[in-house]
Amino acid sequence: GDSVTQMEGPVTLSEEAFLTINCTYTATGYPSLFWYVQYPGEGLQLLLKATKADDKGSNKGFEATYRKETTSFHLEKGSVQVSDSAVYFCALRVLSGGYNKLIFGAGTRLAVHP
Amino acid sequence: DTGVSQNPRHKITKRGQNVTFRCDPISEHNRLYWYRQTLGQGPEFLTYFQNEAQLEKSRLLSDRFSAERPKGSFSTLEIQRTEQGDSAMYLCASSLDRGGTETQYFGPGTRLLVL
Repeated sequence: GDSVTQMEGPVTLSEEAFLTINCTYTATGYPSLFWYVQYPGEGLQLLLKATKADDKGSNKGFEATYRKETTSFHLEKGSVQVSDSAVYFCALRVLSGGYNKLIFGAGTRLAVHP
Repeated sequence: DTGVSQNPRHKITKRGQNVTFRCDPISEHNRLYWYRQTLGQGPEFLTYFQNEAQLEKSRLLSDRFSAERPKGSFSTLEIQRTEQGDSAMYLCASSLDRGGTETQYFGPGTRLLVL
């Protein structure tokens, strides 16, 4: 079945370090891919998305490229800040029974220290 | 646009009691979803509404769970005879059907603790 696998956390970085959070997926068809972020005590917020192969989603300095050949959608940021500390979820959207269903990975916790 | 809101934000109940959660979607969003998130896991799909019609239910949604969306606006999720295994964060999301390019927007969630 359709699934998303993320690297396990926590990921601990110093401020201004480079961030990569790996995400790979298994899906039939051509899913859209998303990164959501969940700050402490809050709901999920859409961070970025890509709807077809080779698309690059970007927002707030974060980027991810939809790689169909490697079925991956890795999240990157060149210089993280303390305020980026949160849990990051990779998700894919597939058409199921006439509606769009989101399937999430388990999440990766990021902790950024000054 | 005030976003998706959920009430209550937290609920503590005793095993065997009934609980009801409410979700108010972004106005004019015709699709509404409920998800459940347990500690250390990503959200899992529970059910989906297109306007007032409940079109899909996950196998996770046992007979003790019921969801409604009267008039296609707000939605309620009721859990009857709660069990400790029901303890989780219940998330609501809404979206506008744009022919395949929809984005789901999530509310802050209701955290349920069953003692």
